[in-house]
Amino acid sequence: DIQMTQSPSSLSASIGDRVTITCRASQSISNYLNWYQQKPGKAPKLLIYAASSLQSGVPSRFSGSGSGTDFTLTISSLQPEDVATYFCQQVNSAPRTFGQGTKVEVK
Amino acid sequence: VQLVQSGAQVKKPGESLRISCKGSGYSFGNFWINWVRQMPGKGLEWMGRIDPSDSYTNYSPSFQGHVTISVDKSISTVYLQWSSLKASDTAMYYCARTVVRGSESLDVWGQGTTVTVSS
Repeated sequence: DIQMTQSPSSLSASIGDRVTITCRASQSISNYLNWYQQKPGKAPKLLIYAASSLQSGVPSRFSGSGSGTDFTLTISSLQPEDVATYFCQQVNSAPRTFGQGTKVEVK
Repeated sequence: VQLVQSGAQVKKPGESLRISCKGSGYSFGNFWINWVRQMPGKGLEWMGRIDPSDSYTNYSPSFQGHVTISVDKSISTVYLQWSSLKASDTAMYYCARTVVRGSESLDVWGQGTTVTVSS
């Protein structure tokens, strides 16, 4: 199985800050990487697919980059509604695997 | 477009259970449906998926043999089934639709079904 490792596990930032979350795959996955946002008590929501494509309806302050083994999710200006846990997922090979999650809080 | 899951369940160890996920607002047979587990306070685990058009399934090795994914295309519903529950099956279970746009992603999610297994 491909292991997905996110860092940090949690972070606290101020409103308006730029926030960066990284995801590393245990082997190359090209650009077969998705990002999801999960707010407390809610189902996950797709933010970014194919490493850098923004899902319809997702605010443009979210962006994704990377290929191969190293990927980044960036929130350009943190908003109160962005408090959530963020997960990466590789879809290069079976079984599809998720990172362990990064919890984002507001200072 | 939505996936609507069946309600919360409380079961005893050793009992059987089937939960459901009904799709609407799209061509049901054209999109794989996945099941994802989230244990209390933990992350997401991909369990497996089914192609509603032909009932072909893929399972994660971690779940193969312990759960069964099936479909009733006539009512646009996918099922996740256990024949003998364990306390460790206590979790939230989500269904999600696969969309392929060069790459796969899970673009529509159900609201989740809580399963509690306790003696």
